[in-house]
Amino acid sequence: EAAVTQSPRNKVAVTGGKVTLSCNQTNNHNNMYWYRQDTGHGLRLIHYSYGAGSTEKGDIPDGYKASRPSQENFSLILELATPSQTSVYFCASGDARGAFEQYFGPGTRLTVL
Amino acid sequence: QQKVQQSPESLTVSEGAMASLNCTFSDGTSNNFRWYRQHSAKGLEVLVSIFSDGEKEEGRFTAHLNRANLHVSLHIREPQPSDSAVYLCAPNTNKVVFGTGTRLQVLP
Repeated sequence: EAAVTQSPRNKVAVTGGKVTLSCNQTNNHNNMYWYRQDTGHGLRLIHYSYGAGSTEKGDIPDGYKASRPSQENFSLILELATPSQTSVYFCASGDARGAFEQYFGPGTRLTVL
Repeated sequence: QQKVQQSPESLTVSEGAMASLNCTFSDGTSNNFRWYRQHSAKGLEVLVSIFSDGEKEEGRFTAHLNRANLHVSLHIREPQPSDSAVYLCAPNTNKVVFGTGTRLQVLP
């Protein structure tokens, strides 16, 4: 069965600190995505990737970097965390072939104090 | 870029009554759509994927797609309190864009 895991599941960070959220998928999907979810905004795309070594800006990339060192791993990096980045972050992987299936991780709750 | 609008923002129904949710998209570039369910900021669960105009049923969940009207709906037959969640629709594309969701509450 398709599997996307995220770590950590919960994180408390201080303003100005560096935060790295990790995502791992065992689906062998080319595409991976990072979203944040906030009340009133739904799910918004931050960064995505078409494969190892590629990162693309989504709709709200400011304040975030992404890294895709391998097919399986996709990280979201907050170099200087701010309270406005307090949110729930979801990673997903997707197969661009055929019917395009997308699978989501369980989410990471980030609080920036 | 495709934009997705969902309505209503929230919906309360009694257990057993039909629940209907709507999704309107901004253009006809997407050929197929998916409905998701999310319980309390947890991961997303795929309910129904629909690939052509008409109807697609998955258990108690039925999606209707009308691409000419830029509209896809979800109907939940005999909803139960455990169906209380946020429902999201999204086109199946490489760069997935979500609507803001409909919060459904099913009262016992």
